[in-house]
This record gives sequence, C-alpha cells and structure tokens, in this order.
Amino acid sequence: SAVISQKPSRDICQRGTSLTIQCQVDSQVTMMFWYRQQPGQSLTLIATANQGSEATYESGFVIDKFPISRPNLTFSTLTVSNMSPEDSSIYLCSVAWGEKLFFGSGTQLSVL
Amino acid sequence: AQRVTQPEKLLSVFKGAPVELKCNYSYSGSPELFWYVQYSRQRLQLLLRHISRESIKGFTADLNKGETSFHLKKPFAQEEDSAMYYCALRGGGAQKLVFGQGTRLTINP
Repeated sequence: SAVISQKPSRDICQRGTSLTIQCQVDSQVTMMFWYRQQPGQSLTLIATANQGSEATYESGFVIDKFPISRPNLTFSTLTVSNMSPEDSSIYLCSVAWGEKLFFGSGTQLSVL
Repeated sequence: AQRVTQPEKLLSVFKGAPVELKCNYSYSGSPELFWYVQYSRQRLQLLLRHISRESIKGFTADLNKGETSFHLKKPFAQEEDSAMYYCALRGGGAQKLVFGQGTRLTINP
C-alpha cells in the first residue's frame, strides 16, 4: 500500500488569504487526486494532479482558485486562493496504487 | 453522467442485528463499485470492491446491474462497525472516484 502524509492537518485562515496543502507519498505514483469534503457533504473531486503537465480540473473548479503543483511522482500541493468562508472544508489528497485509491488524513480548513 | 446515491444519511442498529447500507448508482457503461469506510479519527480507507467479490470484516456487497445497486450487508453487526460508509463508483477507465453522500452507521450495544 501507499503511505500518504498530508499537511497541515488543520488551519484557521483569514478571508482573502491563501493556504497551500502538501501531499507526500512514500512511493512513486502516477495518479494523484485532490478532493474536497464540505460540511455534511460527500467527497467531490477537485482535480487530477498530473506530473509534468497542468492539472485536470473537474467542472466547477478552476486553476486560478485551486492551483496545483506536481513536481515529481511523490509530491503534490494544492493551494486554496483568495479564501472565503465557503472554502471551509476538509481537503483530501488521494493516490491510485494498483486498482485501489489511498487517502491522506485530510486538511481541515476553516476560513473566518 | 456518473452518480452515486446513498439514501440513508444515518442508520442505527443493535449489536448482533443484520445491517444493510444501500447504494444505487447511475452510469451508462460498466462501472466499478467500491465501499469506503472512515472510522472515528481515522482516514478514509477501502473496505471492499465488487471486482474482488470478497468479504471483509464480515461485510459483503453484490453488484446488481438490473437494479443498479451495490448494497453493503453484514449478517451480525458489531460495535466496531460504527463508522461513516461511502459508496463510490469508477467508470470509463478513469482512476477517479465518484462518491455517494455517505451513511453514518451506529451500532448500539
């Protein structure tokens, strides 16, 4: 299995600021994903982080708001830009390992 | 479009009773279905997938293409089964998952 380290585990941020979330995997993986889980809601895919090219965003998510980096096969970052209270959520990193998906422990973000 | 529906947000049963968590999906092709579980203060983890036709921790799930369902079942619930359960679908050869809303299962002693 793949071991995923995600940080920070939680943060409280001011409106208008940005937060970068890091995801480190102990093995090289091709596919990395970023999900969001809003309060009381299910997990929604934000984007697929592609190594060596731009991320692929799902409908409703844009690069300017959620820029993603994927500099190598073991690391990715997600930035939540110009935050508003509506961005308060849990953000999850996920990797595909064989036929399975593994998840990080999540980043709980609260925007005041 | 791919969609997963879990009609029950909350489900409460007594220890030793059978439990069934419902999952229905919408997908035009041949889907892969999964159940993920999140125990208290732990990360989301795979419970089982329909391809494996396995039983994990006493849980089983059968893909019913006619009813487009993938219900999770266990004949005798245990207190440690209390958790949040998510049904998920993967289709079209992509690795990404579409999740249902989740069902919080509580097993009462």
